[in-house]
Amino acid sequence: ILNVEQSPQSLHVQEGDSTNFTCSFPSSNFYALHWYRWETAKSPEALFVMTLNGDEKKKGRISATLNTKEGYSYLYIKGSQPEDSATYLCAFTGTSYDKVIFGPGTSLSVIP
Amino acid sequence: EPEVTQTPSHQVTQMGQEVILRCVPISNHLYFYWYRQILGQKVEFLVSFYNNEISEKSEIFDDQFSVERPDGSNFTLKIRSTKLEDSAMYFCASSYGRTDTQYFGPGTRLTVL
Repeated sequence: ILNVEQSPQSLHVQEGDSTNFTCSFPSSNFYALHWYRWETAKSPEALFVMTLNGDEKKKGRISATLNTKEGYSYLYIKGSQPEDSATYLCAFTGTSYDKVIFGPGTSLSVIP
Repeated sequence: EPEVTQTPSHQVTQMGQEVILRCVPISNHLYFYWYRQILGQKVEFLVSFYNNEISEKSEIFDDQFSVERPDGSNFTLKIRSTKLEDSAMYFCASSYGRTDTQYFGPGTRLTVL
């Protein structure tokens, strides 16, 4: 059974703090790993698509790293702002299928 | 900026009725997806569609579900005989390539009474 895990489940940080969370996925038959940002009452917004081991992607204050050999990806947010409050989802695609498996998400609350 | 649209935004139906959820993907995209999220649970993959056929489907996507791209622009999800447990937010997404960014629509909230 393919499973994608994310930790922590939820996180509360003060404005200005930097934070990071983890996505764990199957290390075999890796094809792509997606990160999404999902605000309440909106649709998931794509942040990154990562395909190569060692990939590092950056978008403003948000960055992500990928380790396909050990099956994890980290998402970092530098200097968190209240508008960063959202659920962050990762999703895994394997080589042999088009199925996308989502993790349960990490809910981030940034306190002003 | 191009976006994925979905209609209706909210659908209320009686158990046993058929519903059709509609999506208009981004026009040059080649891969299309349906996901759902039952309240309080994680986003679940339902089906992917490429080259006018289903490329992958999950265990949830049983004979009660079907997808169609009837006219080259719409992408529909049909549930033939809705059950209470089909109540969820249904998201459509599209991407150009298999590993490209998937763009999500705003979702249709389906409520089965």
